[in-house]
Amino acid sequence: IQLTQSPSFLSASVGDRVTITCRASQDIRTYLAWYQQRPGKAPKLLIYAASTLQSGVPSRFSGSGSGTEFTLTISSLQPEDFATYYCQQLNSYPLYSFGQGTKLEIK
Amino acid sequence: EVQLVESGGGLVQPGGSLRLSCAASGFTFSTYAMSWVRQAPGKGLEWVSAISSSGGSTYYADSVRGQFTISRDNSKNTVYLQMNSLRAADTAVYYCALITRGAEGYWGQGTLVTVSS
Repeated sequence: IQLTQSPSFLSASVGDRVTITCRASQDIRTYLAWYQQRPGKAPKLLIYAASTLQSGVPSRFSGSGSGTEFTLTISSLQPEDFATYYCQQLNSYPLYSFGQGTKLEIK
Repeated sequence: EVQLVESGGGLVQPGGSLRLSCAASGFTFSTYAMSWVRQAPGKGLEWVSAISSSGGSTYYADSVRGQFTISRDNSKNTVYLQMNSLRAADTAVYYCALITRGAEGYWGQGTLVTVSS
């Protein structure tokens, strides 16, 4: 199953609302997660089951979608949110795959 | 607290072998599938391999099938990745991960494997 994220790069300012899209090559129901990765660090789980916020993750992060189209939204960017974001499909768990990543940079 | 600690990475010549280990703690290891994910320098995340909770089923990405072998020792709470016939394209940070369809999305700190002469 192929995952395609858009955009691959995103430039935004603190306080902006941003949305990242992840499209799957086939129906994955809601078996989709979102991760944040900062340079030199392991990925951090933000959202699972397409829309469930992981414990401890700020409420400015939200996820939606089902089937083949999903979105991650950050309602008001904070300085610590500038990182790379990956979607992950778990439809064929324990096999899974990732999108190519979206690098969120400060404008 | 879930902890995953990888070890065994390093510099290896093309054609060489390495065995990575991942020591797990903070959860009932024998009830979860475990996996390895790698990230080449400056690149994205690539799922490499997974093993069922009992060790009876193993899964591999096409890019490493026949080259890597995943295993686990539930008495030691450890998962392994045996990597043979290494090539430059295998250079990456290798992460051990406890990932489920639910709230489990735990990663180790990663271990760097560099394949170079």
